[in-house]
Amino acid sequence: EAGVTQFPSHSVIEKGQTVTLRCDPISGHDNLYWYRRVMGKEIKFLLHFVKESKQDESGMPNNRFLAERTGGTYSTLKVQPAELEDSGVYFCASSQRGGPRTDTQYFGPGTRLTVL
Amino acid sequence: AQTVTQSQPEMSVQEAETVTLSCTYDTSESDYYLFWYKQPPSRQMILVIRQEAYKQQNATENRFSVNFQKAAKSFSLKISDSQLGDAAMYFCAYRSAFPSSNYKLTFGKGTLLTVNP
Repeated sequence: EAGVTQFPSHSVIEKGQTVTLRCDPISGHDNLYWYRRVMGKEIKFLLHFVKESKQDESGMPNNRFLAERTGGTYSTLKVQPAELEDSGVYFCASSQRGGPRTDTQYFGPGTRLTVL
Repeated sequence: AQTVTQSQPEMSVQEAETVTLSCTYDTSESDYYLFWYKQPPSRQMILVIRQEAYKQQNATENRFSVNFQKAAKSFSLKISDSQLGDAAMYFCAYRSAFPSSNYKLTFGKGTLLTVNP
């Protein structure tokens, strides 16, 4: 079974540019989460999809971030325009739909975003 | 809001010895889950062990075990017979058991474990 994949693994962009990160969850996983780790800080929750619906966007930093999940499959996270403080590692995780006893989140390798 | 604290930014251990990584958390909830995740240098983060708060018995997975002290809100990870492959960043994480939380994880800052041959 293929794990969670993310693309690209590393992105370097100039301030003001746009970047789109992609996450492919494990097949059949309805839940998809985005997290971010800024250097030296905790991994922070950004948002949560159930299939194509956004369930919780409370962690999104501001309206420069836009997440979508087309058809309940892969998800994209667009940053437009990028700022220096957006640099960090963006993780995606997926889990099967179920209750708390069965929900285990599987993580992708992350995308390291560097904004210059 | 829940918080997770890992007070050891870095730890080191000799191969074949035992090391304990500390984690404390703060919550007002009674039902929750605690996790240890490992992120090796290759960056894929994997689940090491999970503890359900309503279970008094400490979770064990091969060489990995936890010391869960609910009253003290402490959740330490013990790695026995350390191996070179255990070198990684270790993250402690909390997850509510309530559906309204959407089961999102709250992480600590991580502990970087070095294993010396």
